[in-house]
Amino acid sequence: QQPVQSPQAVILREGEDAVINCSSSKALYSVHWYRQKHGEAPIFLMILLKGGEQKGHDKISASFNEKKQQSSLYLTASQLSYSGTYFCGGSWGKLQFGAGTQVVVTP
Amino acid sequence: NAGVTQTPKFQVLKTGQSMTLQCAQDMNHNSMYWYRQDPGMGLRLIYYSASEGTTDKGEVPNGYNVSRLNKREFSLRLESAAPSQTSVYFCASSGPPGQRYGYTFGSGTRLTVV
Repeated sequence: QQPVQSPQAVILREGEDAVINCSSSKALYSVHWYRQKHGEAPIFLMILLKGGEQKGHDKISASFNEKKQQSSLYLTASQLSYSGTYFCGGSWGKLQFGAGTQVVVTP
Repeated sequence: NAGVTQTPKFQVLKTGQSMTLQCAQDMNHNSMYWYRQDPGMGLRLIYYSASEGTTDKGEVPNGYNVSRLNKREFSLRLESAAPSQTSVYFCASSGPPGQRYGYTFGSGTRLTVV
């Protein structure tokens, strides 16, 4: 029942783009996205509540396709500060997280 | 600073010992949660409390108990620690469901059971 994330890891050079996908086998009421730096707590990035919704946080944006039960996180013109592990969370009243996608941005 | 405070930050236990992890939030949130994080497995929900006086099991509740002491505080107890409970434990809180609020996490407790 845990959301499935792909890819497991991605390595980028500064300025490159990446997409992280999150899918669920059951209907999602909402999707959360978090970023976690090594040894730190996860930090909330954004929440998507409606089907087809898109949101942005700096140059990080996301979409949520309610019909397909899928969400994607877009890292545009990546910066070194984007490095970390990204988690999607599927909400069915309480949040269940995917296994995470490790993002490494190199100079 | 407003947020979620967890204590202790680090703990080493011997198998069979008991301990309580403390969590407090000062954001007036109704809902509070306990997650554990293991390498490659993301965050798994142990227990949650939708409001003061209520608690419910999450994905991995076995070996744990919780107490929602009041609106601010939500504690997690290990009655008889086992090596499989070695993990990083995060407490989190959130505002009303259906609103555009994310979860706020504490800084975590790194627990080792030997």
